[in-house]
Amino acid sequence: EVQLVESGGGLVRPGESLRLSCAASGFTLSGYWMHWVRQVPGKGLVWVSRIRGDGGTTSYADSVKGRFTISRDNAKNTLHLQMNSLSAEDTAVYYCVRDRGSDAFDIWGQGTMVSVSS
Amino acid sequence: DIHMTQSPSSLSASVGERVTITCRASQSISRYLTWYQQKPGKAPKLLIYSASTLQTGVPSRFSGSGSGTDFTLTISRLQSEDFATYYCQQSYSTPFTFGPGAKVDIK
Repeated sequence: EVQLVESGGGLVRPGESLRLSCAASGFTLSGYWMHWVRQVPGKGLVWVSRIRGDGGTTSYADSVKGRFTISRDNAKNTLHLQMNSLSAEDTAVYYCVRDRGSDAFDIWGQGTMVSVSS
Repeated sequence: DIHMTQSPSSLSASVGERVTITCRASQSISRYLTWYQQKPGKAPKLLIYSASTLQTGVPSRFSGSGSGTDFTLTISRLQSEDFATYYCQQSYSTPFTFGPGAKVDIK
């Protein structure tokens, strides 16, 4: 079964860091662009970042640029999101997402909640 | 950034009704438009990509059309399992942006 499972979410204080991971199974991660999308509970979807299959190209939303780093370990079929200098505005459910091509997201993880509060 | 809008933001409909949701981009995005369905507490599900291509496994009552700046999602005969929120997303350029969503609930 094709599946993405996120981990690493939790409650942190403003200014702290968190590293999210996403374990892929049922497919070879290296063959796909991967993305992170976040959603404040009850609100809309916001694209955060993407990375090419070989890790050679990355892109970020302006709101996280310079603070977040997307990376991947294709040997371990795992995607990561390193989040630094977190603020309350980063509080959301973070989804790991597979890009089927044409930048359409066909496989989504269950999401991991990140809460930033003092 | 490309701004996406959707209308209506919410609608009430009955089972068997035809439902149409509109998505508009602030500039031309060719056919780089995707539709998702999201139910409460669940991750979004891909319905349609490239404006009109149905994702494998999605019922044929769902269809998409449009190009440039104006797009539509149509559900030909609403079923009980279709009550959800629908989002459009442009993939013409980063940052990829989503519409605010259109909630379809039971009349």
